[in-house]
Amino acid sequence: AQSVTQLGSHVSVSEGALVLLRCNYSSSVPPYLFWYVQYPNQGLQLLLKYTTGATLVKGINGFEAEFKKSETSFHLTKPSAHMSDAAEYFCAVSSGGYQKVTFGTGTKLQVIP
Amino acid sequence: GAVVSQHPSWVICKSGTSVKIECRSLDFQATTMFWYRQFPKQSLMLMATSNEGSKATYEQGVEKDKFLINHASLTLSTLTVTSAHPEDSSFYICSVSFLGAQGTDTQYFGPGTRLTVL
Repeated sequence: AQSVTQLGSHVSVSEGALVLLRCNYSSSVPPYLFWYVQYPNQGLQLLLKYTTGATLVKGINGFEAEFKKSETSFHLTKPSAHMSDAAEYFCAVSSGGYQKVTFGTGTKLQVIP
Repeated sequence: GAVVSQHPSWVICKSGTSVKIECRSLDFQATTMFWYRQFPKQSLMLMATSNEGSKATYEQGVEKDKFLINHASLTLSTLTVTSAHPEDSSFYICSVSFLGAQGTDTQYFGPGTRLTVL
């Protein structure tokens, strides 16, 4: 069984400030972890993923996430928020191998000018 | 460029009619596709796993006779919502699982189809 918990359904940051979106997971097998971004009325775009290897993963648009097994966390960060980062972000987990992906409930990021 | 396409992007239909949504893998052959449903302000919920050449695997609580899935080729899966009702109004998103060079797979998502049933 697998599950994802995203803390905070809404997060507001000022433009230029640090972005931190929290994600904790539960998985009975070594997890594959993902962050996706969704803009209004659009599909999901993959930001980054962790499968194996380096625990600090860099993605598109300046985002990165660190896999911490001891904390069962995969928080998403970006040093400086941009207005175009305003969107909904979903953390997800799977067990790989064409297995289904389980999504968190999402965090809506608001960037204040 | 886009890896997965969906058609139509939005559709409005009358209650009791059937609606077909197509999901195409543009860049590679996909033996496995997934169908998700997303209600407003909610997360994506997996409806079914579509396997080329065999029957789809439905998640618990999803009516297989209402949501017909056909994965007839390696690049096309279709979802047909039969006898649609207003409560079926939702955002339907498909995804394609792609096995990368390192043997790890990633799901690429289509742009979604907004279904509104009047």
